[in-house]
Amino acid sequence: GQNIDQPTEMTATEGAIVQINCTYQTSGFNGLFWYQQHAGEAPTFLSYNVLDGLEEKGRFSSFLSRSKGYSYLLLKELQMKDSASYLCAVMDSNYQLIWGAGTKLIIKP
Amino acid sequence: GAVVSQHPSWVICKSGTSVKIECRSLDFQATTMFWYRQFPKQSLMLMATSNEGSKATYEQGVEKDKFLINHASLTLSTLTVTSAHPEDSSFYICSASPLAGGPNEQFFGPGTRLTVL
Repeated sequence: GQNIDQPTEMTATEGAIVQINCTYQTSGFNGLFWYQQHAGEAPTFLSYNVLDGLEEKGRFSSFLSRSKGYSYLLLKELQMKDSASYLCAVMDSNYQLIWGAGTKLIIKP
Repeated sequence: GAVVSQHPSWVICKSGTSVKIECRSLDFQATTMFWYRQFPKQSLMLMATSNEGSKATYEQGVEKDKFLINHASLTLSTLTVTSAHPEDSSFYICSASPLAGGPNEQFFGPGTRLTVL
């Protein structure tokens, strides 16, 4: 079966760095997405990785290792507004997104 | 660019009635649109995928006669929840992709919160 695993909840301090991990087992791979979702709102796109390595975009970076079926989202200089759920999603061989359950990130002052 | 709207934002209806939710891509043509449902504290669950001008493809366990999807144009898809019941209360989110197939980003609408009394 297809499976995406990510931690249910994480807590970090304002100004610090946090890494959210995602491991996956899917039928085929056509890229991995990270989305941010605030409570009661729809997801917003953060990043897309299809090749191994690190993609940096401002305070957010995303890493992919296809051989390990592993990705992480790195958030630097955390701000209170970063409190949200972070969803990992993998596009399988049919170009369908398989979603993780999301990681709720709580930022404390 | 790449804005997707949904209407209504929230709706409360009586059990047994039907509710229509519209999803529009405002500044691009959406070859493919997706409908998701999300229950509290759970991840997105794909209900169906629709391509303009063809029948929607429903995920296993989703009743196609209950959740009617129409994708009549490249900028509009509708989801009609027929004979709604309290267990249908959920957050319904649509997304749109500008190209058919391929590793394309999905642009999400703001969601519609449905409460069935």
